[in-house]
Amino acid sequence: EVQLVESGGGLVKPGGSLRLSCAASGFTFSIAWMTWVRQAPGKGLEWVGRIKSQTDGGTTDYAAPVEGRFTISRDDSKSTLFLQMNSLRTEDTAVYYCVKANALDIWGQGTMVTVSS
Amino acid sequence: DIQMTQSPSVMSASVGDRVTITCRASQGISNSLAWFQQKPGKVPKRLIYTSSSLQSGVPSRFSGSGSGAEFTLTISSLQPEDFATYYCLQYNTFPLTFGGGTKVEIK
Repeated sequence: EVQLVESGGGLVKPGGSLRLSCAASGFTFSIAWMTWVRQAPGKGLEWVGRIKSQTDGGTTDYAAPVEGRFTISRDDSKSTLFLQMNSLRTEDTAVYYCVKANALDIWGQGTMVTVSS
Repeated sequence: DIQMTQSPSVMSASVGDRVTITCRASQGISNSLAWFQQKPGKVPKRLIYTSSSLQSGVPSRFSGSGSGAEFTLTISSLQPEDFATYYCLQYNTFPLTFGGGTKVEIK
């Protein structure tokens, strides 16, 4: 069974940092492009960024609101995706989803990040 | 960035109704369009990809069409489990962008 399990969410103060993890199983993680999507409470879906497979260059792209503050990385040996979030703002409060592929076919259950003083 | 304009934002419908949701892109995106269904408190689920390809396991009452800049999601006969919010996504150009969502409510 294809599965994505996020962890690492929680409450953090504005300006703080948090690192999310996403453990993948049931597919060949190393060749998958992986994406992060977020959803603020009561709001719609927002694409955060994605990382290509290492064989496709391993490059990353980010949405403008997080560019320079968030970093996506991957550890193919552990089938794990990461989202390092720095300089967090209240508007980053959301459920963060780890999603497989460019066209978002498989989603994790999400992890809640709350940025508040 | 490509803007995805989804309409309507809210609609009321009855079981058995034919439902159509539209998504317009601010520029052409070929057929790089997907549709998602999200129920309250649940994870989004992909229904359609490449504009008209049905995701495995999704009922055949769901269909998608369109190319270029205008796309449609159709539910041929609305079922009780279909009351949810639907989102379109363009994945032709970075940054990827979602439509604002269409909430399908019970009439």
